Amino acid sequence: DIQMTQSPSSMSASVGDRVTIACRASQGINQWLAWYQQKPGQAPKLLIYAASFLQSGVPSRFSGSGSGTDFTLIISSLQPEDFATYFCQQTHSFPRTFGGGTRVEIK
Amino acid sequence: QVQLQESGPGLVKPSETLSLSCSLSGASFSSGDYYWAWIRQPPGKGLEWIGTIYYNGITYYNPSLKSRVTISVDRSENQVSLKLTSVTATDTAVYYCARQGNSGRSFDYWGRGTLVTVSS
Repeated sequence: DIQMTQSPSSMSASVGDRVTIACRASQGINQWLAWYQQKPGQAPKLLIYAASFLQSGVPSRFSGSGSGTDFTLIISSLQPEDFATYFCQQTHSFPRTFGGGTRVEIK
Repeated sequence: QVQLQESGPGLVKPSETLSLSCSLSGASFSSGDYYWAWIRQPPGKGLEWIGTIYYNGITYYNPSLKSRVTISVDRSENQVSLKLTSVTATDTAVYYCARQGNSGRSFDYWGRGTLVTVSS
């Protein structure tokens, strides 16, 4: 199985901050990576697919980059509605696996 | 607009079988364009992929659950079902169904999820 490791596991940030979340795969997955946002009591929402492609309807302050084993999700200017937990997921092979999540809290 | 809705018992006794259905509107499970998945999330924890099914019945399961899981499609009801046998308290979770779309094989549509508690 491909293990996905996210860092940090939690962070505090202020509105307007630039936020960077890292995700590392235990083996190369090319660009087969997705990012999701989850708010309490809600299902995850797709933000980024294929490492860097913005899902339709997602604000442009979200961006993704990376290839191989190292990936990054960036929120360029954190907004109040962005306080949530973020998960990466490899879509390279079965079994599909997720990172442990990064909780972004209000500072 | 694609919508997924999970349904099933919210309480299951240990050693029994968990059975859930996922109803689809705005699309058809018989379409060959997509795959359909079950994913679960224990309270306060991360996401775990359970398995995926293609419209023709081909399935892929998480090896950690494979001996206990069956995912199937009921085309007449436009539903995907999940059965998990011999449940224990560690199977307590919110269970989601989701569509694996053409966007990098990601899960682009999700149901709201249904909480299943395993307890006597």
